[in-house]
Amino acid sequence: GENVEQHPSTLSVQEGDSAVIKCTYSDSASNYFPWYKQELGKRPQLIIDIRSNVGEKKDQRIAVTLNKTAKHFSLHITETQPEDSAVYFCAAGYNFNKFYFGSGTKLNVKP
Amino acid sequence: KAGVTQTPRYLIKTRGQQVTLSCSPISGHRSVSWYQQTPGQGLQFLFEYFSETQRNKGNFPGRFSGRQFSNSRSEMNVSTLELGDSALYLCASSLPGGPIDEQFFGPGTRLTVL
Repeated sequence: GENVEQHPSTLSVQEGDSAVIKCTYSDSASNYFPWYKQELGKRPQLIIDIRSNVGEKKDQRIAVTLNKTAKHFSLHITETQPEDSAVYFCAAGYNFNKFYFGSGTKLNVKP
Repeated sequence: KAGVTQTPRYLIKTRGQQVTLSCSPISGHRSVSWYQQTPGQGLQFLFEYFSETQRNKGNFPGRFSGRQFSNSRSEMNVSTLELGDSALYLCASSLPGGPIDEQFFGPGTRLTVL
């Protein structure tokens, strides 16, 4: 089956710095790659996603890049703020809404 | 629109019992997926239902089952509970816009097996 690896498991940055989280997947049939933010005790919330026919997508301070050949995708957060502190999950999705998730990255933004 | 809702929010059971969890999707959403979230294994896909049919399933034993009703509400059942079934069970709904869609998660049901 699919295997999604996510790195790093924890990331600590200073407010205003950038944060980068990387994921790799194994199955080339994956065609949709969402990123979720989960705050403590809350549900995962989609923050950005990218489909397999696109190489990069940006939404304000958040961007995602996808390299289909290398089977990896990355989340970039610029100008980090304390409210960005949370656990971030990447996922690789297949047709009919089957998703494999990475193990999560705990981001801590220090004021 | 109201978000995805799950009931109950918390549940305590003992080993060997069975449990049924409920998920009501966002109005108009016809796909419902279920996930198990644990600190050790992360988020793991259980199964997905669309129009009352299971379209996909993950690698969980047959003790885990689900169903979807004509109003798109879904239930999952776990029989013969084991200690390792203690987890947060999340459901997610999505529109039938294509073969794969943005998932909207519910708040989860926290199941504790004693």
